[in-house]
Amino acid sequence: GAGVSQTPSNKVTEKGKYVELRCDPISGHTALYWYRQSLGQGPEFLIYFQGTGAADDSGLPNDRFFAVRPEGSVSTLKIQRTERGDSAVYLCASSLTATDTQYFGPGTRLTVL
Amino acid sequence: DAKTTQPTSMDCAEGRAANLPCNHSTISGNEYVYWYRQIHSQGPQYIIHGLKNNETNEMASLIITEDRKSSTLILPHATLRDTAVYYCIVRKGNTPLVFGKGTRLSVIA
Repeated sequence: GAGVSQTPSNKVTEKGKYVELRCDPISGHTALYWYRQSLGQGPEFLIYFQGTGAADDSGLPNDRFFAVRPEGSVSTLKIQRTERGDSAVYLCASSLTATDTQYFGPGTRLTVL
Repeated sequence: DAKTTQPTSMDCAEGRAANLPCNHSTISGNEYVYWYRQIHSQGPQYIIHGLKNNETNEMASLIITEDRKSSTLILPHATLRDTAVYYCIVRKGNTPLVFGKGTRLSVIA
């Protein structure tokens, strides 16, 4: 079946702009996670949804970052007033339930100039 | 912080078994051991996980010591396509995955 998909695959933006990154989880998966991976590092947790609600947003670095999952399926990660330090690969993962194995998408490479 | 320790890098000859060690001496009774790998420019790929017993699937085998303080991921016949960074992660319940730096495995022809 279809895996986790993320769009766009690459996004280049200018400092100060607003960006939205989209994640389509595996159909039927109730839990959805966002991670961020900087060059040479392992992925770092940002936020996780159980259904429509954010169950844990402790990894969001500041209030410029926000994520939604209004219908319990697709999720959008939103970054306001982007900074050069936001440049990274943003990864999405989903799992059948919150305790099950997470499966990752290919990521969105964000470059802030 | 990651609760696991892995060697920074390893080499393996093509066709031979790759044995990747992981130390998780502070693991608690309800934490699972997960292995993922990440091939360059791709998202992490799930490989295998286990709690106490050894596990095997079509990709790999996972050997967990009796005291659960360490484990070994075994790729029985490594190919060039197995070249990747391998992450060993301990996780309980619904907690997020905490990635360390992993082991960079290079399979050499």
